[in-house]
Amino acid sequence: ETGVTQSPTHLIKTRGQQVTLRCSSQSGHNTVSWYQQALGQGPQFIFQYYREEENGRGNFPPRFSGLQFPNYSSELNVNALELDDSALYLCASNVGLAEETQYFGPGTRLLVL
Amino acid sequence: SQQGEEDPQALSIQEGENATMNCSYKTSINNLQWYRQNSGRGLVHLILIRSNEREKHSGRLRVTLDTSKKSSSLLITASRAADTASYFCATDEKGGSYIPTFGRGTSLIVHP
Repeated sequence: ETGVTQSPTHLIKTRGQQVTLRCSSQSGHNTVSWYQQALGQGPQFIFQYYREEENGRGNFPPRFSGLQFPNYSSELNVNALELDDSALYLCASNVGLAEETQYFGPGTRLLVL
Repeated sequence: SQQGEEDPQALSIQEGENATMNCSYKTSINNLQWYRQNSGRGLVHLILIRSNEREKHSGRLRVTLDTSKKSSSLLITASRAADTASYFCATDEKGGSYIPTFGRGTSLIVHP
């Protein structure tokens, strides 16, 4: 167990809808990163938050947005869902920006129909 | 951004045998990490090797890093059925922001 939890575990949405995925990090972990993992692929970096500010962003459109809260929880929001957004969404936390090892949650599997 | 590429894509062995997976990357790195993923669930960190290190061990795991060839290998000795999983290497670019970039992974099946 990594101490990182995600909810929900599975989700089915319709194209065009909006979705919010949640992550709860370990206490004391000030950095959270979100990844998208399509079937058969490695995780792709979406963005990272450090102390509630966005610290870096991957090659994802603006309809992917996030929030990080002081209580070590965070959200990933996706607007105007597309079929290709179907994937496993992973959050990972670590203590600070320079700590390389990330602790991953179990993921949320999103299916867009 | 660079991406590690694992080889082979899939590996099937018998319990007790050794499993070797390789990772190649494109640019200079700060470190390289190996992760394991069971059945599309969360990733578990296995081992981190820094760019100035050549070999690290952790239990039945042995990782090597050859920065001149921009490659790494993960060896699992005396494999067990429970080692069945996907294995990913992740690199973060030298001078970058410690955000790891993952390869596509090697799918390992260990037959009992």
